[in-house]
Amino acid sequence: GDSVTQTEGQVALSEEDFLTIHCNYSASGYPALFWYVQYPGEGPQFLFRASRDKEKGSSRGFEATYDKGTTSFHLRKASVQESDSAVYYCALAQMNYNQGKLIFGQGTKLSIKP
Amino acid sequence: DPKIIQKPKYLVAVTGSEKILICEQYLGHNAMYWYRQSAKKPLEFMFSYSYQKLMDNQTASSRFQPQSSKKNHLDLQITALKPDDSATYFCASSRQGDQAPLFGEGTRLSVL
Repeated sequence: GDSVTQTEGQVALSEEDFLTIHCNYSASGYPALFWYVQYPGEGPQFLFRASRDKEKGSSRGFEATYDKGTTSFHLRKASVQESDSAVYYCALAQMNYNQGKLIFGQGTKLSIKP
Repeated sequence: DPKIIQKPKYLVAVTGSEKILICEQYLGHNAMYWYRQSAKKPLEFMFSYSYQKLMDNQTASSRFQPQSSKKNHLDLQITALKPDDSATYFCASSRQGDQAPLFGEGTRLSVL
């Protein structure tokens, strides 16, 4: 079945550091890829989506590029802030079936030291 | 104001009892979903409904039954509760086919 792998379980950075969270997927066909962010006590918030190869999604200074060749959708941000501390989830959905059926990775907890 | 309302926010139940988790969305979406988040599985798809019809069910147990009385409602009935059912249950919704699901704030269920 389809799956999403996030390499880092936890990432600790200082403010203004560069962020990369790795996301790789395994899926049949041509899935849509998503990033969500979850703050303590809240539901996941949609960040952005990409639906085709080489498409870049971005929001709030975060960005990721759909790479079908390496089956990746890595999240990057040039300069993190303390307010970015949260859990980040990569997810996929099959475009031709049920786009609301998201398959999530395990999540990456990001901690930013002031 | 939250556009996806889940009630209650916290719920404590005894083993063997039955509970109903409420979800209403005011986004005009025609597709609604339930997801579960626990320590064992971070975010797991359970059900999806479109125009009040069941589209997909990934829950093996019949103890979990979604109920859609109105087009913007999708409640979740859980019977014969077990401690393993302890989790946060998230309702989500989207415009069918072309939109990323948006999530509510969840109902945290503890089964003793």
